[in-house]
Amino acid sequence: GENVEQHPSTLSVQEGDSAVIKCTYSDSASNYFPWYKQELGKRPQLIIDIRSNVGEKKDQRIAVTLNKTAKHFSLHITETQPEDSAVYFCAASQGSNAGGTSYGKLTFGQGTILTVHP
Amino acid sequence: DVKVTQSSRYLVKRTGEKVFLECVQDMDHENMFWYRQDPGLGLRLIYFSYDVKMKEKGDIPEGYSVSREKKERFSLILESASTNQTSMYLCASGRTVGFYGYTFGSGTRLTVV
Repeated sequence: GENVEQHPSTLSVQEGDSAVIKCTYSDSASNYFPWYKQELGKRPQLIIDIRSNVGEKKDQRIAVTLNKTAKHFSLHITETQPEDSAVYFCAASQGSNAGGTSYGKLTFGQGTILTVHP
Repeated sequence: DVKVTQSSRYLVKRTGEKVFLECVQDMDHENMFWYRQDPGLGLRLIYFSYDVKMKEKGDIPEGYSVSREKKERFSLILESASTNQTSMYLCASGRTVGFYGYTFGSGTRLTVV
């Protein structure tokens, strides 16, 4: 089955700095890579995702890059703000195939606790 | 807006009790999932269901069972709760066609004493 490794487990930055979180995956059939943000006491929420036919995707201050050959993908947050402080999870999936057995099952990384100091 | 609702936010149960965690989604999603969240271990899949009355084991199914009698409802059952099942339990749902990831419920913090 799929295995996702996420690093670092904790990350502390000053407000305005950039933050980078990296993930590797094992299953070359995986083709969908979402990132979730979980604020304290709240549910994980999707913040950005990328599919395997794209190498990079950006949404305002956040971006995700994907290297299919190396089987790794990264989340980049620029100009960090205190409200970016949260736990971030990467995940990988074979997507969803009604004729197959993947059913959109996500395998998550271990999570990164990001702290942005004012 | 997709809603995934978990019936309880906090639960305290005694060792050996049978525990039911309920999850309801209102977007007609085919797939529903139960994850367990523990610090440093991320989100680990317990069970999932891709259709009514269908279920598949995830990575850590031992000590758990599930029930999906209706499309919108997916229940996680701890047959005989143990202290090592103290954790945060997250339910999620997602589509089969046009998959775009999950919507999560708010979670149930279960403490077994």
